[in-house]
Amino acid sequence: DVKVTQSSRYLVKRTGEKVFLECVQDMDHENMFWYRQDPGLGLRLIYFSYDVKMKEKGDIPEGYSVSREKKERFSLILESASTNQTSMYLCASSLSGYGGTEAFFGQGTRLTVV
Amino acid sequence: ILNVEQSPQSLHVQEGDSTNFTCSFPSSNFYALHWYRWETAKSPEALFVMTLNGDEKKKGRISATLNTKEGYSYLYIKGSQPEDSATYLCAFNTGNQFYFGTGTSLTVIP
Repeated sequence: DVKVTQSSRYLVKRTGEKVFLECVQDMDHENMFWYRQDPGLGLRLIYFSYDVKMKEKGDIPEGYSVSREKKERFSLILESASTNQTSMYLCASSLSGYGGTEAFFGQGTRLTVV
Repeated sequence: ILNVEQSPQSLHVQEGDSTNFTCSFPSSNFYALHWYRWETAKSPEALFVMTLNGDEKKKGRISATLNTKEGYSYLYIKGSQPEDSATYLCAFNTGNQFYFGTGTSLTVIP
């Protein structure tokens, strides 16, 4: 059974803290993604990576960074958490290639910044 | 940022009713259109991946059609059941990126 696992289901952090959200996939997928989901706004892409040590900014990268040191792991870093980063964060992975490859999602991390 | 729009935003139907939703997307740089179902407290799961204009796909009571020339896809649910209650997301795939709509939230009332 294919799996994308996020390290935490729920997190509460204080403003200004450095926050790490971890994602691991066991499908040998090249592509990995971080999204945030907010009511009325759908899934918005923060960063994605198409290979180890490669990363590309998505639509809303400000305040975030990422790390992909190994193919199976993609980390999202909030350098200095702020209350407007309170959200649901979803990690996904997919095979490389054009068109026909679905995304597989983790269970999500609901982050609250107080 | 690519604009992917879904309508309606939410829908309440009675058990047994048939329903459909719409996804609109750009007609250029098209590689695939995906539909996902996202149930509460679970991860989004792929329903369909559609790549060709005119594609029609079916899974049980759920089916989808694709028109890449005019940039829309329809998702149909025949004889809705309470277990169909979920948010249905479409995603426009340009290659290695997915652009998601805001979803249609379906509630099926027993």
